[in-house]
Amino acid sequence: QKEVEQNSGPLSVPEGAIASLNCTYSDRGSQSFFWYRQYSGKSPELIMSIYSNGDKEDGRFTAQLNKASQYVSLLIRDSQPSDSATYLCAGGYNTDKLIFGTGTRLQVFP
Amino acid sequence: DADVTQTPRNRITKTGKRIMLECSQTKGHDRMYWYRQDPGLGLQLIYYSFDVKDINKGEISDGYSVSRQAQAKFSLSLESAIPNQTALYFCATSDSLNSDTGELFFGEGSRLTVL
Repeated sequence: QKEVEQNSGPLSVPEGAIASLNCTYSDRGSQSFFWYRQYSGKSPELIMSIYSNGDKEDGRFTAQLNKASQYVSLLIRDSQPSDSATYLCAGGYNTDKLIFGTGTRLQVFP
Repeated sequence: DADVTQTPRNRITKTGKRIMLECSQTKGHDRMYWYRQDPGLGLQLIYYSFDVKDINKGEISDGYSVSRQAQAKFSLSLESAIPNQTALYFCATSDSLNSDTGELFFGEGSRLTVL
């Protein structure tokens, strides 16, 4: 069974620190990986996508992909209390059959 | 107004009742999805539709059915609800022209409780 695994957390970091969120996946055929953010009681929203090995940066967010190790990560620099949310990792070929992880809850404290 | 609208937002029902959750979108996307989210579990795909005539089962379709009434409307039915179908249900859309971006646009969710 294809799986995407995440530590459920919570991951607690102080304001201004780097938050590091990790994800592993089992399907070597997966080509596309995504990070969604979900605030409590709200719907998920896409914050990063990554398709190639290496790093991809967008503002304070950096996604990292290592296909050999089947590992995806999300770094959030200069973490803010407003970043407190659950972060969902998803992998697949495209949007058609994304497999979502259970999410990691991030808490950023002032 | 939300681009992806789900109704009802909250529903409490009894075991054995038929329930329909409705989703409509104004984004003009061709692909629509129904997901289920349980505490401690990830989003699980129930059904997805590429267009009005193309409907596909997801990971957990047993006990559910769907109807794509128009490009903008996709409804999820529970013919005979049972307590383990208590969950938060999300409708989502995507654009096939941008399927590689992985961007699903989610509705606000429908919280269903089956007693």
